[in-house]
Amino acid sequence: QTVVTQEPSFSVSPGGTVTLTCGLNSGSVSRNYYPSWYQQTPGQAPRTLIYSTDTRSSGVPNRFSASILGNKAALTITGAQADDESDYYCMLYMGTGLWVFGGGTRLTVL
Amino acid sequence: QVQLVESGGGVVQPGGSLRLSCAASGFTFSSFGMHWVRQAPGKGLEWVAFIQYDGTKKYYVDSVKGRYTISRDNSKNTLFLQMNSLTPEDTAVYYCAKVFDVVVVPADTMDYWGQGTLVTVPS
Repeated sequence: QTVVTQEPSFSVSPGGTVTLTCGLNSGSVSRNYYPSWYQQTPGQAPRTLIYSTDTRSSGVPNRFSASILGNKAALTITGAQADDESDYYCMLYMGTGLWVFGGGTRLTVL
Repeated sequence: QVQLVESGGGVVQPGGSLRLSCAASGFTFSSFGMHWVRQAPGKGLEWVAFIQYDGTKKYYVDSVKGRYTISRDNSKNTLFLQMNSLTPEDTAVYYCAKVFDVVVVPADTMDYWGQGTLVTVPS
């Protein structure tokens, strides 16, 4: 069974930099999985931040960037702001009609 | 602008059925694949189902196969999710989501999301 792994929680100071990761229980994440990232604040719908590994969606500030780091996908927030405090989910496309979300990372900015 | 508005959620007894709708506007609905994604209370996102732009390909997560059916009416710009044999584990907010242009993003990644509709199956 495919399990996409994320840190359950992370904290960052205002103005700081944080990197969240997205891995696989078996194997490495590569661009072939078209990793994507979503931001969700409580009670709100998800918002697409990043698609196809490292492309920012329309309107997403450039303090959000993404890449492959080692064997994981990674989302980096540079210069974190208070309203970046959210849940962040990654998703991998496993191919042939299967998309799998990670468990999400709750980011605290304090 | 793109708008996706889900409806049809509510409380349904175990074993019951419900049909969700997602009304789309602001884009050429018939040109884009669509997903349903759900989120149980206090839990993470779970992909549920996908339908290709023309309805010819449909995919489901294992836990709903044989119980859920995704469909679309391109003449009415509406996406559906027929849910049968519901259990308490199906309790969630259900979101519909449009995908990016498949020429740009071959993986049918979610682009725009609706606000969701809550389905409750009491235990």
